[in-house]
Amino acid sequence: AQKVTQAQTEISVVEKEDVTLDCVYETRDTTYYLFWYKQPPSGELVFLIRRNSFDEQNEISGRYSWNFQKSTSSFNFTITASQVVDSAVYFCALSEAGTGGFKTIFGAGTRLFVKA
Amino acid sequence: EADIYQTPRYLVIGTGKKITLECSQTMGHDKMYWYQQDPGMELHLIHYSYGVNSTEKGDLSSESTVSRIRTEHFPLTLESARPSHTSQYLCASSEGLAGGPRGELFFGEGSRLTVL
Repeated sequence: AQKVTQAQTEISVVEKEDVTLDCVYETRDTTYYLFWYKQPPSGELVFLIRRNSFDEQNEISGRYSWNFQKSTSSFNFTITASQVVDSAVYFCALSEAGTGGFKTIFGAGTRLFVKA
Repeated sequence: EADIYQTPRYLVIGTGKKITLECSQTMGHDKMYWYQQDPGMELHLIHYSYGVNSTEKGDLSSESTVSRIRTEHFPLTLESARPSHTSQYLCASSEGLAGGPRGELFFGEGSRLTVL
């Protein structure tokens, strides 16, 4: 069965600090997709990144970077030089190709507070 | 830019009332979903649809029902609202397998329901 665990419920940092959000997943499929979404206080979820199970290359996008490691079933997200606008709830999600991709399940989310 | 719309954004109603939450997307996506989320908490899939005339229940049991008569429209109905239905309901759509080439879900802004 699918499962996504985000062990960090809340993280509080001071602006310009680096912060890493952890995500551990469980799946029996060999083909699956991992995602990170951001939910700012306004409430609308915003897509950040997608990774398929065959692509373990890490990715950097501006201040954001993602570390995908199949050996540990982890897909961690790092924000470098955090800013107040990064304050939001961040969700890691998993979608299995075997189910047609319909059942995207989400972790419980990590609430990030960035203080000025 | 995602084009998925939910109405109403906020609704306060009394117990026993029938309500319909509307969701429309203009992207021509086949797949649509309803998630239930308490504020800042985990998202739970309650309904999804492969396409017109196709609906399935998600992982979280819900007393709501959905219909998919047109590709762009995926309304959710509660026949008799109760205080336990108080929550935020998020509608999403995606292109294809695991969301298609980019794989992501496009979310509406949500409908926050309060049942007194």
